[in-house]
Amino acid sequence: DIQMTQSPSSLSASIGDRVTITCRASQGISKYLVWYQQKPGKVPKVLIYAASTLQSGVPSRFSGSGSGTDFTLTISSLQPEDVATYYCQTYNSDHMHTFGGGTTVEIK
Amino acid sequence: QVQLVQSGAEVKKPGASVKVSCKAFGYTFTGYYIHWVRQAPGQGLEWMGRINPNSGGTNYAQKFQGRVTMTSDASVSTAYMELTTVTSDDTAIYYCARTRTGTPILNWGQGTLVTVSS
Repeated sequence: DIQMTQSPSSLSASIGDRVTITCRASQGISKYLVWYQQKPGKVPKVLIYAASTLQSGVPSRFSGSGSGTDFTLTISSLQPEDVATYYCQTYNSDHMHTFGGGTTVEIK
Repeated sequence: QVQLVQSGAEVKKPGASVKVSCKAFGYTFTGYYIHWVRQAPGQGLEWMGRINPNSGGTNYAQKFQGRVTMTSDASVSTAYMELTTVTSDDTAIYYCARTRTGTPILNWGQGTLVTVSS
């Protein structure tokens, strides 16, 4: 199965900081990469799909980049409501739809 | 509107099997894959596999091969996930979710808590 490695596993940042989360695939997945945000007790919500396309209704401070094996999720200016766990996942139909291990974002 | 409604919480003894159902509303059931994802308490999301309700074809994560069976019944728009020989490590919330080919998960079931305890 394809492996998805996320880093860091957790981070603490101040309001207004720029936050970057990375996700590495063990083999090329083109741009079939989605970023989810999950808050406690809730199902995951799509932020970014196709590696860099912002889902409708998601604030523009969220952005994604990358293709092949290396991907990045950036929050340009961290807000209190962004406290959550973030997951990457590949959805290339040729591969298993593996999730990354998750990154928990907290406010410093 | 699209809804995935899952069966209720289960408590199982180690070594038993558990079967969770996921009934679809508001769309053509055979037009979308159904995925199963689990989340152990305080842990991350884990993709278990998917079924194509149109063909019955399945793809399972290697970790669950031989222990999971995903099925579907288009006549009642329902998908099923059965996990055998459960242990305490299988205690988790189990979610069903739907996708089309080449699209991410936009719709999730409400989750089914499976507790494995002697």
